[in-house]
Parts: sequence; C-alpha cells; structure tokens
Amino acid sequence: SQQGEEDPQALSIQEGENATMNCSYKTSINNLQWYRQNSGRGLVHLILIRSNEREKHSGRLRVTLDTSKKSSSLLITASRAADTASYFCATDARGGGFKTIFGAGTRLFVKA
Amino acid sequence: EAGVAQSPRYKIIEKRQSVAFWCNPISGHATLYWYQQILGQGPKLLIQFQNNGVVDDSQLPKDRFSAERLKGVDSTLKIQPAKLEDSAVYLCASSLRTSDANEQFFGPGTRLTVL
Repeated sequence: SQQGEEDPQALSIQEGENATMNCSYKTSINNLQWYRQNSGRGLVHLILIRSNEREKHSGRLRVTLDTSKKSSSLLITASRAADTASYFCATDARGGGFKTIFGAGTRLFVKA
Repeated sequence: EAGVAQSPRYKIIEKRQSVAFWCNPISGHATLYWYQQILGQGPKLLIQFQNNGVVDDSQLPKDRFSAERLKGVDSTLKIQPAKLEDSAVYLCASSLRTSDANEQFFGPGTRLTVL
C-alpha cells in the first residue's frame, strides 16, 4: 500500500512560474524525502526533511513539513523546462524498521 | 564515485519463463533495496537488505520472487515463473544506513516485459 499520496496527480506550468506539489501520509514518520524521476536521469533524491524540522531549502527547492496534518509540500521556484519530471514523496515510517514507502507521484510538465 | 549498476537494462520474456536481475550497489553502502515500479505508479519496495540480512520482504511475492545478497555486496532478484502482471521496471537502490536518514541512490533500472 502507498503511504504517501501526492497532489495534484499532474501539473502543467509555464517556464519561470512556481510549482507546488503536496504530499499527505498516514502514519508517524522519522523523515520524509522528495525524489525526482525523468527518463534521462532516472530516480534522484532531492531533499530530506526530518520529523522535527518544519522547513528546508535547497537551491530552488523549498520543502515544508506539517506533522500535525501529516502533510508536506514541495515548491520549485522559477521553474525550467528541465524540471519536467515526476516527483515522488517517500516516507520512513516510525517503528517500521526504516521501511521507505513511495507515493504515486505528481507529473510536472514545464512548457518553454 | 560510481553509481548503482544494474543489468540487464531491458528484458523481454514469455509468461512462465524465468528471469534474473543483477545489482551492484555503491561501494560501502550497507543497505540495498529492490523496488518494482509499474507504469504510472510509484516504486514499491519488494525487499530490503542490511548487509546480507533481510530487513523487510513483506511485499515480495515469495511464491515466485526470490532475492539474495551474497557477501553483503551484489544482489540478484529472480522471478520464476513470470506472469504478465510482472511487467514493470525493477529498480535497485543503495544507501548508507544512518540512524534516521537514508538517502537512497537508484540504479537505472531493468525494464521487464512479460508477453
């Protein structure tokens, strides 16, 4: 079963716009990660946020985590055509032996 | 630093045949994962090894799937016999196991088509 559920399932924006993707999960977690997958580079780790953190930045990426709502968001600022990919959240459930569960992903298309 | 290596990259077989995939993780990574990714879905964990011991295989269909990690390095995943629904990309990943964070590094995957 998938723990993380991304929203929206698909997103199409113009180059230069910001893209926001959301992830909701069901059980308590140790950390939450975001990954990107495209045909060129496969599945690549973007950022990890621990359960005691609320916000994290990495370049044009901003991730927030709200453990009370069991949700996270990924913001990509000033998007580029090269950001076109599927984005997945993955959670490490507490007490789950660090088993990582991926959501179904958000498909982002950035138009040049 | 060399990444996670997988072979073959593509495989086409007929149902009821057998197939094996190979993975070589990043040097020094204690944890190795096999995922199944069906088109349009996120990766699903099949099995996780810590060194050469199994940490989790709860979603591995053990009647047809098997995996081993000899000497705590390379790993093989086998399907015998294959079914049509096994058509998917099989991803191998590895990570350094720390206490609370496990960034995973993924290989390119093996795309399996079962006819």
